[in-house]
Amino acid sequence: GAVVSQHPSWVICKSGTSVKIECRSLDFQATTMFWYRQFPKQSLMLMATSNEGSKATYEQGVEKDKFLINHASLTLSTLTVTSAHPEDSSFYICSAPRGAQDEKLFFGSGTQLSVL
Amino acid sequence: AQTVTQSQPEMSVQEAETVTLSCTYDTSESNYYLFWYKQPPSRQMILVIRQEAYKQQNATENRFSVNFQKAAKSFSLKISDSQLGDTAMYFCAFMKPGTYKYIFGTGTRLKVLA
Repeated sequence: GAVVSQHPSWVICKSGTSVKIECRSLDFQATTMFWYRQFPKQSLMLMATSNEGSKATYEQGVEKDKFLINHASLTLSTLTVTSAHPEDSSFYICSAPRGAQDEKLFFGSGTQLSVL
Repeated sequence: AQTVTQSQPEMSVQEAETVTLSCTYDTSESNYYLFWYKQPPSRQMILVIRQEAYKQQNATENRFSVNFQKAAKSFSLKISDSQLGDTAMYFCAFMKPGTYKYIFGTGTRLKVLA
């Protein structure tokens, strides 16, 4: 089956620093990837859609200057949390569809971000 | 706008028994996809089952089956012969075809008891 790899699995950083999270599709090309955020004991909320070769589209209420998304190749999307603050602490998950004939998403294993 | 509601925050079931998780949704679309995903303690999202709205037949995957009632906008998941490994958070999700934008419910935490 399709595999989406996400790194790192967890990261601890100081307030004010930036953190980059990588999401790779290992055995398929992904022109689109999706980034979700999950707070403790809550559901997954879509943050943004990452589009290869073009700007990401952000959901309402998500600060595009804080959550920088780059999708420079067909297999890699990155999410950079800039000037992180404790309220940015959360579980971030990426996902990607494999192709037009397959309506399901394949999810990465997630990144737990803790900002001190 | 579409919404997905899971009214059971937590449930438990004895090993080998059957349990049903509820999900209702609201949409004005006639065609869409519905999913159940499982999130075990590892937090990896795992697809359990998928239903296409234009198909009347309920989807089944081994011990997992759904009761899809389109008119009632209900999509419940039945787990038969529950196993300890079924312990997880279960999310119901809605998607308009071609968008890949999932709308998730708030989840049901299922604990299978030995």
